[in-house]
Amino acid sequence: SQQGEEDPQALSIQEGENATMNCSYKTSINNLQWYRQNSGRGLVHLILIRSNEREKHSGRLRVTLDTSKKSSSLLITASRAADTASYFCATASYNQGGKLIFGQGTELSVKP
Amino acid sequence: DVKVTQSSRYLVKRTGEKVFLECVQDMDHENMFWYRQDPGLGLRLIYFSYDVKMKEKGDIPEGYSVSREKKERFSLILESASTNQTSMYLCASSSTGIGDGTEAFFGQGTRLTVV
Repeated sequence: SQQGEEDPQALSIQEGENATMNCSYKTSINNLQWYRQNSGRGLVHLILIRSNEREKHSGRLRVTLDTSKKSSSLLITASRAADTASYFCATASYNQGGKLIFGQGTELSVKP
Repeated sequence: DVKVTQSSRYLVKRTGEKVFLECVQDMDHENMFWYRQDPGLGLRLIYFSYDVKMKEKGDIPEGYSVSREKKERFSLILESASTNQTSMYLCASSSTGIGDGTEAFFGQGTRLTVV
């Protein structure tokens, strides 16, 4: 069963704008992770936020987590054409065993 | 750098064939995973293994089996390939405690077409 639901499914913006992607999940988690996938390639880990954290930054990335609403958002600031990719959230929890459960992803297109 | 290597980038097989997808990781990770990725459905977990010879079913194990005889290698087997198994297959590995906050490392993917 899919844990994460992502919104929007697709997003198109201009270079320099900010991009925000949202992820909702169903069960309690220990951490939530965001991954990036360039077209036709494997996934690359971007950032991880634990259930006791509310916000985390890494370079141009900002992730928030609201466990009461079971949701997370990924903000990419000052986007670049090279940010064009699919972005996935994934949840991990002890009651999922060792599994990492992914959402359906958001396809981001950044136009130069 | 952690490396997860899948044996093929592209594979074309005939319906009914037995297909082996191989995955090797070089970081001594305990956990290994097989996902399939289809448009609009995201990544769905087929099987995962948390130790040699140990495996657990994911969300969509039907039509698949796995083998983990050595820690570094995790094989996905399509017992009798069917056209609805045409997909992108992604292998990943992680150290123990993914619930504790360890990331997964992915291979480059194998795009399998069953004709």
